[in-house]
Amino acid sequence: QVQLAQSRSELEKPGASVKVSCKASGYTFTSHVINWVRQAPGQGLEFMGWINPMTGDPTYAQGFRGRFVFSLDTSVSTAYLQISSLKAEDTAVYYCARGASTAGLLEYWGQGTLVTVSS
Amino acid sequence: EILLTQSPGTLSLSPGERATLSCRASQAVIANLLAWYQQKPGQAPRLLISRASSRATGIPDRFSGSGSGTDFTLTIDSLEPEDFAVYYCQQYGTSFWTFGQGTSVEV
Repeated sequence: QVQLAQSRSELEKPGASVKVSCKASGYTFTSHVINWVRQAPGQGLEFMGWINPMTGDPTYAQGFRGRFVFSLDTSVSTAYLQISSLKAEDTAVYYCARGASTAGLLEYWGQGTLVTVSS
Repeated sequence: EILLTQSPGTLSLSPGERATLSCRASQAVIANLLAWYQQKPGQAPRLLISRASSRATGIPDRFSGSGSGTDFTLTIDSLEPEDFAVYYCQQYGTSFWTFGQGTSVEV
């Protein structure tokens, strides 16, 4: 069955960087887009962008260009989200979600990774 | 960017009652590419409905979606205890995909 296993929670200081992983299994990794979604504490869902595992091309939604980087390691079927120059407002749960045949339909979700930014 | 407005913000109901949730788009959703997700506390969202009215695999038939253009509805017939959660609509017809702010269905 399709599974997306994310890395565990992180506690980082302002100005540091963090890298969240999303390991896929149960399907051909290069056949479906991986989307990233942010959820701040007590808030709704915010779409961040996606990366195409076939081409390696990332696409970033407005508000997520510059400090946010999507990457892949197709040899281990894993997608990554790296956030640099962390700010307190980056504190959130970050989800990866596999796109369906229509890329933006978020068919399968990882369990989420809580990133806490605090001094 | 297509804005999605969900109403009401909170729906207070009892088990066995029907829930009707609304999602209104700021412009027509292309090909009715509108999805609904359920999220319980501490869990990832779960896909319920795609293309406005198609239930995802394993979703009980008490969940139904309807609508087209700019107005969409999620109906939950006869609420079960496990249905009390937050529900989000999402359009995925126009990049970038956007979510509504959510409707909390509570007891």
